[in-house]
Amino acid sequence: EADIYQTPRYLVIGTGKKITLECSQTMGHDKMYWYQQDPGMELHLIHYSYGVNSTEKGDLSSESTVSRIRTEHFPLTLESARPSHTSQYLCASSANRDTGELFFGEGSRLTVL
Amino acid sequence: QKEVEQNSGPLSVPEGAIASLNCTYSDRGSQSFFWYRQYSGKSPELIMFIYSNGDKEDGRFTAQLNKASQYVSLLIRDSQPSDSATYLCAVKGVGTGGFKTIFGAGTRLFVKA
Repeated sequence: EADIYQTPRYLVIGTGKKITLECSQTMGHDKMYWYQQDPGMELHLIHYSYGVNSTEKGDLSSESTVSRIRTEHFPLTLESARPSHTSQYLCASSANRDTGELFFGEGSRLTVL
Repeated sequence: QKEVEQNSGPLSVPEGAIASLNCTYSDRGSQSFFWYRQYSGKSPELIMFIYSNGDKEDGRFTAQLNKASQYVSLLIRDSQPSDSATYLCAVKGVGTGGFKTIFGAGTRLFVKA
C-alpha cells in the first residue's frame, strides 16, 4: 500500500493569502509530482522533481512554486491565492526503478473566495 | 488535438456484462500505457499497465495495446456495481518527456445492478 500523505485535505481561503500544500511520502521514492485536476477534466502536471534540490515545471502553467529539500517532502506554495487557483491538487510519487506507476495522495481541495 | 483522448461517457452497462473502454494517444514515441480507476472524490489508483502490443490479462481486466493504431483499451468482464468509477488512460514516453505521465480526461462507467 502506498504511503503518501497530503495536508490539508480541504482548504477554503480568501484571495491574496499565501498557502502551502504539504505532501510527504515514506516510500523513499526519488520522483515526485504535483497534478491539478478540475471536475470532469484530465489531470495536468504542474510540477515534478527528480530528487532532492531538483524541481521542474510541468505542462500546465502554474503560479505555484515547489521545493524539494528532503526526499520525502515536496510542498507546493501559492504566494497570493486567487479564485482561479480553486482546484483539486494531487501529489504523487513513483518508484526509483520507475515502472511508471504513480502512487497518489488523497488530494488537497482548495477553494479561494 | 489532445495528447490522450477518451470518450467521456458515461458508459452504462448492466451487471455481469463486459465494459469496453477505449483510448487513443498522439505521441508515437510513447512506451508505457496505464489504466487508472478514480472513484468520485478519490485519487486515481492503478488498475493495469501494458508495455507491449497485444493483450494483458489480470483477473477480470484485460488491457489491449496496438501501437500501430496508437490505441489502448480496457475490458472489464463480469462488471460489478463496484466498478462504477471514472477510468483514466495514461501514457508515458521516453527521454525528457518520458518522465511525465499524460492523462486523458477519463471515461465514466456506470454498472447497473
